[in-house]
Amino acid sequence: AQSVTQLDSQVPVFEEAPVELRCNYSSSVSVYLFWYVQYPNQGLQLLLKYLSGSTLVKGINGFEAEFNKSQTSFHLRKPSVHISDTAEYFCAVKNDYKLSFGAGTTVTVRA
Amino acid sequence: ETGVTQTPRHLVMGMTNKKSLKCEQHLGHNAMYWYKQSAKKPLELMFVYNFKEQTENNSVPSRFSPECPNSSHLFLHLHTLQPEDSALYLCASSPRTGFGETQYFGPGTRLLVL
Repeated sequence: AQSVTQLDSQVPVFEEAPVELRCNYSSSVSVYLFWYVQYPNQGLQLLLKYLSGSTLVKGINGFEAEFNKSQTSFHLRKPSVHISDTAEYFCAVKNDYKLSFGAGTTVTVRA
Repeated sequence: ETGVTQTPRHLVMGMTNKKSLKCEQHLGHNAMYWYKQSAKKPLELMFVYNFKEQTENNSVPSRFSPECPNSSHLFLHLHTLQPEDSALYLCASSPRTGFGETQYFGPGTRLLVL
């Protein structure tokens, strides 16, 4: 069995400030890791994914995430956010075909 | 993003109605999925189809009935739903159901059951 915990349900942040969204997972086997973003009234869009190789993964819109196997974490970061980054962010873990999601982190960017 | 489309985008139905949700993917994928997204809860996987065959039913009540006539289309037939079934229903597709395959999501159908 696998599970995902997103440690912050809401993250308010000012425009041009950095943001970090925390994600921890548990799994008895190797997994693949994903971050998705959901803008208001839209479906989920893939931000980035970790399959293997370098533990620092770069995604779209200036986001990056670091896989830490010893801490079973996959935190998402952006050095400078924009108003348009206001959205809900989901961390997900994949083993075989089953994608398990965290509960989501709502990021609200203020001017 | 028009790779996965869903219709209708919004649906209001009574508990005795029958309705269907439609999903279509234009990505040439062979696997399709239905998810339920309720407020403040993680996305719940409902059904998985791989090459038109159902490979996963995640203990979904029988009032939800999926149908996959071909690899490009997926339906979710709804019958005698309950108010707690109100949610956003998301469809996704991937090339296959394998380990590293990325799932691509549609915009969802927001369902309200009265």
